[in-house]
Amino acid sequence: DTEVTQTPKHLVMGMTNKKSLKCEQHMGHRAMYWYKQKAKKPPELMFVYSYEKLSINESVPSRFSPECPNSSLLNLHLHALQPEDSALYLCASSQGPGTPSPADTQYFGPGTRLTVL
Amino acid sequence: DAKTTQPNSMESNEEEPVHLPCNHSTISGTDYIHWYRQLPSQGPEYVIHGLTSNVNNRMASLAIAEDRKSSTLILHRATLRDAAVYYCSSFSGSARQLTFGSGTQLTVLP
Repeated sequence: DTEVTQTPKHLVMGMTNKKSLKCEQHMGHRAMYWYKQKAKKPPELMFVYSYEKLSINESVPSRFSPECPNSSLLNLHLHALQPEDSALYLCASSQGPGTPSPADTQYFGPGTRLTVL
Repeated sequence: DAKTTQPNSMESNEEEPVHLPCNHSTISGTDYIHWYRQLPSQGPEYVIHGLTSNVNNRMASLAIAEDRKSSTLILHRATLRDAAVYYCSSFSGSARQLTFGSGTQLTVLP
């Protein structure tokens, strides 16, 4: 099973709402990632978890809060977002070991299309 | 961080080879070159990666210039299902992350 699943597929939220994006993989991968992708742009890294610990935070605003409850799950908690945060949010995973390796292949989920009103 | 540049778009005829170029002007000696593609309404999909030598797999071939400042992804026989945005990227060992180029939209004509 080389699949990364993400829920929900689509999400519309107001600026005062709190919502969460979920990501799951069962490949035994030890590194997991959140990316943000605006229309017609490449993915931009937000966070990296290695062995369930946050290892990279690319200066993401605190209204985005990641969480890794276990080695298979990755959540992104959203609160007080702005309309400019509307984008496709991609989750990915890679083998590791732990710290992402230059030769690692990343497996991406289909993404959650987020619209902030 | 490595700067990666790609043409915005390319066209190919079905069943013909396609050569997708990429420039890695600031790549360092230990940064791997990765190619991903993204079909409409999907997440990126791994295609191939390499460090110095040319690489082949069932999807494509990767040709890396001797100075590593450029690479070319080769699809040997393009099909309509290969129409996608192809991202050239490099993995920086120092930054510990994958940095994507701007992507090339490949259109395959029947």
